[in-house]
Amino acid sequence: DTAVSQTPKYLVTQMGNDKSIKCEQNLGHDTMYWYKQDSKKFLKIMFSYNNKELIINETVPNRFSPKSPDKAHLNLHINSLELGDSAVYFCASSQRQGNGYTFGSGTRLTVV
Amino acid sequence: EDQVTQSPEALRLQEGESSSLNCSYTVSGLRGLFWYRQDPGKGPEFLFTLYSAGEEKEKERLKATLTKKESFLHITAPKPEDSATYLCAVQGAPFQAGTALIFGKGTTLSVSS
Repeated sequence: DTAVSQTPKYLVTQMGNDKSIKCEQNLGHDTMYWYKQDSKKFLKIMFSYNNKELIINETVPNRFSPKSPDKAHLNLHINSLELGDSAVYFCASSQRQGNGYTFGSGTRLTVV
Repeated sequence: EDQVTQSPEALRLQEGESSSLNCSYTVSGLRGLFWYRQDPGKGPEFLFTLYSAGEEKEKERLKATLTKKESFLHITAPKPEDSATYLCAVQGAPFQAGTALIFGKGTTLSVSS
């Protein structure tokens, strides 16, 4: 069983479109995250949710909106996609008194 | 501001040629330092957590060490399957639920036979 699963794995879309990425974890963790990895492989935190509550909201355009319907799911919705949004987006989860994260396999978003 | 710097950016080794990767950090109260391995097209895979200076952990050909300012990932007699990007991350205090890991930019290791 996959611990942290993301869908879709690849997403190619045109500028101006709206898209969503879904994430689910079956580890029973309380906290979930979205990270963005740029072309130079630098991982940067975007959002963090603990038990459905938003904890971290880094300097990210408000076109990005996370939603956590329950503590096992964290989705990312992106409005009005721009070329600069092209990257790999990783979902991760951890225990509340965390000992590192478990990452999903990533969603490669390409905006054309 | 918490910061992590990894060096070198890229490292090429021959099979069996041991070496070390460096991770220097600046953090307001280290709660944990983490090493991850990332293969192309995959998510980072957890390797080690180190909590205090002087701590060491080993797994197969990898050994991670920690001082008050940096961590080393020593690779002994590497094999081609050790080729990957190795990421270092820190978690600072005070810890609260949802505290993010701050990552370095990684070291890409290539081991040739």
